[in-house]
Amino acid sequence: GAVVSQHPSWVICKSGTSVKIECRSLDFQATTMFWYRQFPKQSLMLMATSNEGSKATYEQGVEKDKFLINHASLTLSTLTVTSAHPEDSSFYICSASPLGLGNGELFFGEGSRLTVL
Amino acid sequence: GQQVMQIPQYQHVQEGEDFTTYCNSSTTLSNIQWYKQRPGGHPVFLIQLVKSGEVKKQKRLTFQFGEAKKNSSLHITATQTTDVGTYFCAGWGVGDYKLSFGAGTTVTVRA
Repeated sequence: GAVVSQHPSWVICKSGTSVKIECRSLDFQATTMFWYRQFPKQSLMLMATSNEGSKATYEQGVEKDKFLINHASLTLSTLTVTSAHPEDSSFYICSASPLGLGNGELFFGEGSRLTVL
Repeated sequence: GQQVMQIPQYQHVQEGEDFTTYCNSSTTLSNIQWYKQRPGGHPVFLIQLVKSGEVKKQKRLTFQFGEAKKNSSLHITATQTTDVGTYFCAGWGVGDYKLSFGAGTTVTVRA
């Protein structure tokens, strides 16, 4: 199946710093990628939909200035957590579908576990 | 907005027994998918159901999509330790741009 790669897998940072997470589709082009957040023992919460060449669509309650998304190419989307605080510590996962919106399975990256001290 | 509910949240099963997890949507779905997430891992696609009343099998796993395309179930027979993990249902709403996930059923198996 299709492969989505996410980097870094683990990141520890100090409070107030910014962290960038990359999501790459390795063998297909993804005009749309999805960013999820998952707290321990909870479900995946959609944060935003990343659209290549245009602004991301954020879900209600997600601060767009806090979680900056850039989708500059058909194979790369980045999520930057700005001025991170301990409450931002979480598992962040990106996903994409080769078949686009509304159809087909999502392929997930390996996830990035962020710990903010 | 669309909500996908899933029960039970936890399922502790004796090895060899069967169990079922249920998924219910507040709106009609264009299709429903099931994913499995092992502890410490990321969700992995299991199957997609599209047609009303559809039933699909993968070895010991049986997936059903309701006639109204608003509910689904996953039934696992003869549970094994390899079945440990969290099973999520997820649905694309009709004309929707995002996949909504249920809360997941976390399965543990006692030998």
